[in-house]
Amino acid sequence: QVQLQESGPGLVKPSHTLSLTCTVSGGSISSDRYYWSWYRQLPGKGLEWIGYIYYRGSTNFNPSLRSRVSISEDTSRNQFSLNLRSVTTADTAVYYCARDHEGATDFWGQGTLVTVSS
Amino acid sequence: DIVVTQSPDSLAVSLGERATINCKSSQSVLFDSNNKNYLAWYQQKPGQPPKLLIYWASTRQSGVPDRFSGSGSGTEFTLTISSLQAEDVAVYYCQQYYNAPITFGQGTRLEI
Repeated sequence: QVQLQESGPGLVKPSHTLSLTCTVSGGSISSDRYYWSWYRQLPGKGLEWIGYIYYRGSTNFNPSLRSRVSISEDTSRNQFSLNLRSVTTADTAVYYCARDHEGATDFWGQGTLVTVSS
Repeated sequence: DIVVTQSPDSLAVSLGERATINCKSSQSVLFDSNNKNYLAWYQQKPGQPPKLLIYWASTRQSGVPDRFSGSGSGTEFTLTISSLQAEDVAVYYCQQYYNAPITFGQGTRLEI
């Protein structure tokens, strides 16, 4: 059973960089069968795809965030990470890491609330 | 971007009755090469991540009760709960995976 766990600061100051890490167990992020994604959910709102990383470090991002986002991987630790630069209060959300497979997102982390505030 | 629109925004159904949620995409999510619709359905309860119910528009995820079913093709899709149980109270989302950016419907709140 694949499990994902987000970790990182719960509070980030405006204009700073939000950094989160997802640790994956029960499956390898090096597999060419899966995409490893970040999603977020603004308070009381719907779901937004941020981007994903897949085989050999290729990435794809939501155009709405592309200028501020990067996703990287550490295959030795079976982790992948999100950096979101120049955050504002509008970036306050629950951030999820997840696995995408066969046209859907089949495993999700529990999510971590990140608040942007001074 | 493919815009995904759900209806209704909220729905109240009696226990044991049928619940139907609709999802419409702004363009077809059917891949001609494999004849699969890149459309999934999720259930989200408060304080929890979304849970995958249906993928390829009509394939039930392992472990999902068979009262949940998905149908449709192209641009119009439906999630049906055949006999509502108390534990089905949640927000339901559809998601298109046809192309990036991956997009979701706005959600449908299902109540008893």
